[in-house]
Order: sequence, then C-alpha cells, then structure tokens
Amino acid sequence: SAVISQKPSRDICQRGTSLTIQCQVDSQVTMMFWYRQQPGQSLTLIATANQGSEATYESGFVIDKFPISRPNLTFSTLTVSNMSPEDSSIYLCSVELAGALQETQYFGPGTRLLVL
Amino acid sequence: AQSVTQLGSHVSVSEGALVLLRCNYSSSVPPYLFWYVQYPNQGLQLLLKYTSAATLVKGINGFEAEFKKSETSFHLTKPSAHMSDAAEYFCAVRRGDKIIFGKGTRLHILP
Repeated sequence: SAVISQKPSRDICQRGTSLTIQCQVDSQVTMMFWYRQQPGQSLTLIATANQGSEATYESGFVIDKFPISRPNLTFSTLTVSNMSPEDSSIYLCSVELAGALQETQYFGPGTRLLVL
Repeated sequence: AQSVTQLGSHVSVSEGALVLLRCNYSSSVPPYLFWYVQYPNQGLQLLLKYTSAATLVKGINGFEAEFKKSETSFHLTKPSAHMSDAAEYFCAVRRGDKIIFGKGTRLHILP
C-alpha cells in the first residue's frame, strides 16, 4: 500500500469562504480521486484528478465549485469554493498505485469540514 | 452498470458471535469487488478484495468474504466478533476506473 496524508485533518469555516485540501502520497500513483462523504452517508466520487490537465468531474459536481489541481504524480489539491453549510462533509482523496495493485484504491484519512 | 447493494444499514452482534454483513452485486462481467472499513473519525481501510483469483478471499483482522456467482453475493464474515470491530463497513465494486460504494452497514458489537 502507500502512505496517504491529507491537510488539514479538520476545519471549521464560515459561509462564503473557500478551503483548499491537500493530498500527498509517498509512492508513485497512476490515478488520484476525490470523494465526498456527507454526514451518515456513503462515499460519492467528486472527480478524477488528472496530472497536467483538467480534472474529470462526475455528474452534479462542477469545476467552479470544486477546482482540483494535480501538478505531479504524488500531489493533488481540492478546493471547496464559496462554502455553504451543505458542504459540511468528509472529503477523502484516494489513489491507485502504479504496478500490480492497480485495481485497488487506497484512501487518505479524510478532511472533516464543518461550515457555519 | 455495476453496482452493489448492502442489506441492513445497522447490524448488531454479541461479542464472540459470528459477523455476517451482506452485499449483493450487479454486473454483466466478472467484477472486482471490495470491502472497506471505516473506524470512527478515520478514513477508509481496505479489508479485502476479489479479483477472480479465488472465490474465498481472506482479509485483515480475521475477516473473509466469499464470491458466489450463482447468488451474485459477496458477503463479509468473521467467526468471532470483537469490540474493536465496531465500525462502518462498505462494499464496493469497480466500474471502469471508478469504485462505486454501497450505502454502508454500521456494525455494533454488544458486550
């Protein structure tokens, strides 16, 4: 597997502000993903973070609200823009490792966001 | 399209009893199937995965799952529950490059 870290681990933000979440992996990865887990819910894929190009967003998620960067193979950021209380969730990044374990996704510890 | 259905949003078992968490999948092709666990205030940890190599898959912490094509099931079991097994469990299936998650089952362990 790999060591995946996320910053911040949690935050409390005011309505209308933006928060950028970082995801760092200690191994070479092929793919990186961002998920949202709303309170008491399962995980929903926000987007696939593509290196050097625009992220691929799932239905219901747009770049203006969730801009994503992936400048290299091991790092990505997700910004939650113009936040509202409905954005209160856990945001998780996941990765697929280069090599034989490519069918498996490994998850970071998550960022717990509360918007007031 | 591939998807999974988890039966029971909450399951309670006594400490030392058998754990059985149910997952059924729908897929037109042999699927990649996963079980993940989420302990309170933590991220997701991979318990085990099925990739067509063997129908009985052993995972971490004493868990195992059996792939049954005839029943389109991939149920998770553990012979003897421990208090530390209390967590949320997610069954998932790979769809192309994506992992699609079930709604989750919260496992409660009764003393």
